[in-house]
Amino acid sequence: AQTVTQSQPEMSVQEAETVTLSCTYDTSESDYYLFWYKQPPSRQMILVIRQEAYKQQNATENRFSVNFQKAAKSFSLKISDSQLGDAAMYFCAYRSYTGANSKLTFGKGITLSVRP
Amino acid sequence: GAVVSQHPSRVICKSGTSVKIECRSLDFQATTMFWYRQFPKQSLMLMATSNEGSKATYEQGVEKDKFLINHASLTLSTLTVTSAHPEDSSFYICSARRWDTGELFFGEGSRLTVL
Repeated sequence: AQTVTQSQPEMSVQEAETVTLSCTYDTSESDYYLFWYKQPPSRQMILVIRQEAYKQQNATENRFSVNFQKAAKSFSLKISDSQLGDAAMYFCAYRSYTGANSKLTFGKGITLSVRP
Repeated sequence: GAVVSQHPSRVICKSGTSVKIECRSLDFQATTMFWYRQFPKQSLMLMATSNEGSKATYEQGVEKDKFLINHASLTLSTLTVTSAHPEDSSFYICSARRWDTGELFFGEGSRLTVL
């Protein structure tokens, strides 16, 4: 079974600074997806970024980028130019590549606060 | 983007009653829907996976008779919490997998409070 580990329960960042959220995972599969989701106080889950394991290039979405290290099974999220609206809970998630029923496996999440 | 709607967003009920939560994909057909439970400041715990027209697959430890899931159409899945008790109070979230792209979209969640 796959596992996703987010070992830091909380982090804080100064507005306009950069912060990196860590995530490691364990799997025996070679093809899979990795995701970062944001859950603001509204509780709506928002997809931040997605990475296919077969792609060597790290995914980027505006101020959000990942450092995907397949051999190390590491998938960290970097948030640049942090904004107050980035304050939320962030979840790292894994999903198998195949199977219509393949489910997301979430990490425990990390609460990010942004200091003005 | 695709929209998944959950209803009701908040519900308060008395202990012993049953509560139904709906999850609808508004602008796409969903082959698979997932139901999660989330406690405050914790991660999402998968309860069950439902496919249209077939029985739901429950995760280990989730009571099938307590949490009834029906996926009657390609756009609607329902979760019924039967004979609810205070320990069932939680935040319930659904997600729907789009049939053509495989992308996953989340509902807004439903907060259940059992008195």
